[in-house]
Amino acid sequence: DTGVSQDPRHKITKRGQNVTFRCDPISEHNRLYWYRQTLGQGPEFLTYFQNEAQLEKSRLLSDRFSAERPKGSFSTLEIQRTEQGDSAMYLCASSPPVGSNTQYFGPGTRLTVL
Amino acid sequence: AQSVSQHNHHVILSEAASLELGCNYSYGGTVNLFWYVQYPGQHLQLLLKYFSGDPLVKGIKGFEAEFIKSKFSFNLRKPSVQWSDTAEYFCAAHTGGFKTIFGAGTRLFVKA
Repeated sequence: DTGVSQDPRHKITKRGQNVTFRCDPISEHNRLYWYRQTLGQGPEFLTYFQNEAQLEKSRLLSDRFSAERPKGSFSTLEIQRTEQGDSAMYLCASSPPVGSNTQYFGPGTRLTVL
Repeated sequence: AQSVSQHNHHVILSEAASLELGCNYSYGGTVNLFWYVQYPGQHLQLLLKYFSGDPLVKGIKGFEAEFIKSKFSFNLRKPSVQWSDTAEYFCAAHTGGFKTIFGAGTRLFVKA
């Protein structure tokens, strides 16, 4: 069990560019979450996958944001036409298929939009 | 709207002092409650959780929290803090569906 991993750890991009982040959950965890965290705030829920199905999306997830989990394992989060307001830490978490909703978090990807 | 409020954004304590961090949630139904901690340079990790049963739950490193339904509260306590407890603490609530709502966090600094 190597924990949840995220790649890249840091991303600097110019406004208007597209970026994609990857999350690899703990193996056997079929539940996967994406959050966004800005300075001085707690994580804000973005979206949830159970296996490959995206079952819930926050209204925070505008049409510029899309997430996928094609084979029920790793997930990607893409932001198109980035804006300065997208600068934040993007966190991924996973949970096992049964039992509690305890989430295991990755280290996050810090996005800076110039 | 469902929300989680943490009363203190910054707390400074001396070692051996007692700690209580406040957390209130706004939701009238069944709720699962969590405290997560983020030590400097590390990932968010679970400190303790409440699902049902005994409202006093014990977590790692001597932390405990009490669920008081009538007050919609889930305060975190530790009788004697250590320098190594310096971290940011997040209260969170799962109120059904798939969404977990986090508070804004409390930064605790413990002076050696």
